[in-house]
Amino acid sequence: EPEVTQTPSHQVTQMGQEVILRCVPISNHLYFYWYRQILGQKVEFLVSFYNNEISEKSEIFDDQFSVERPDGSNFTLKIRSTKLEDSAMYFCASISPGGANEQFFGPGTRLTVL
Amino acid sequence: GEDVEQSLFLSVREGDSSVINCTYTDSSSTYLYWYKQEPGAGLQLLTYIFSNMDMKQDQRLTVLLNKKDKHLSLRIADTQTGDSAIYFCAERSNAGNMLTFGGGTRLMVKP
Repeated sequence: EPEVTQTPSHQVTQMGQEVILRCVPISNHLYFYWYRQILGQKVEFLVSFYNNEISEKSEIFDDQFSVERPDGSNFTLKIRSTKLEDSAMYFCASISPGGANEQFFGPGTRLTVL
Repeated sequence: GEDVEQSLFLSVREGDSSVINCTYTDSSSTYLYWYKQEPGAGLQLLTYIFSNMDMKQDQRLTVLLNKKDKHLSLRIADTQTGDSAIYFCAERSNAGNMLTFGGGTRLMVKP
């Protein structure tokens, strides 16, 4: 069964460094998402992406964040200058075309900012 | 903003039924979802219900929706130790495709 994949599974970085989190959505999906889950808190929406542009974003998704679909398969989340409070699990998701808009999630990347 | 709430913890014995409850505030919710998260893993979509339905059954899972009270529940019949996980309720509003999640209910199944 096709699935969303994410790399790396765990990223450790120093405060102020740039990180890029990578996702490969399911191949025929059209909408892509990033969510994050700070330890002990709710899963929070960051951004959605459709037709090569951002369609929705939350207040969390400020100028430090950007998303890109550099080729036909990868979907990336870049954090330009990481802060301690960016430490979280970051989940990528994609939606199947039509139907009930089931969002399928990847396994997540745990980002630790030191 | 919209809010989704769940109780934190539920403990049941193997073979019993589990009922996990969720309340939400968004009256324009279109779909409501249940996800399962096992330790160290991602969010696995278990089932979903469209807002104009009041019940959906899928094998051992039964979803009940009371739209008037904005209350959603997930019943797991014959709960097994492998069902031990965190269960997240989520809603999708009419305004967009993003999901708003509850805080998750940790289900512990005792043998």
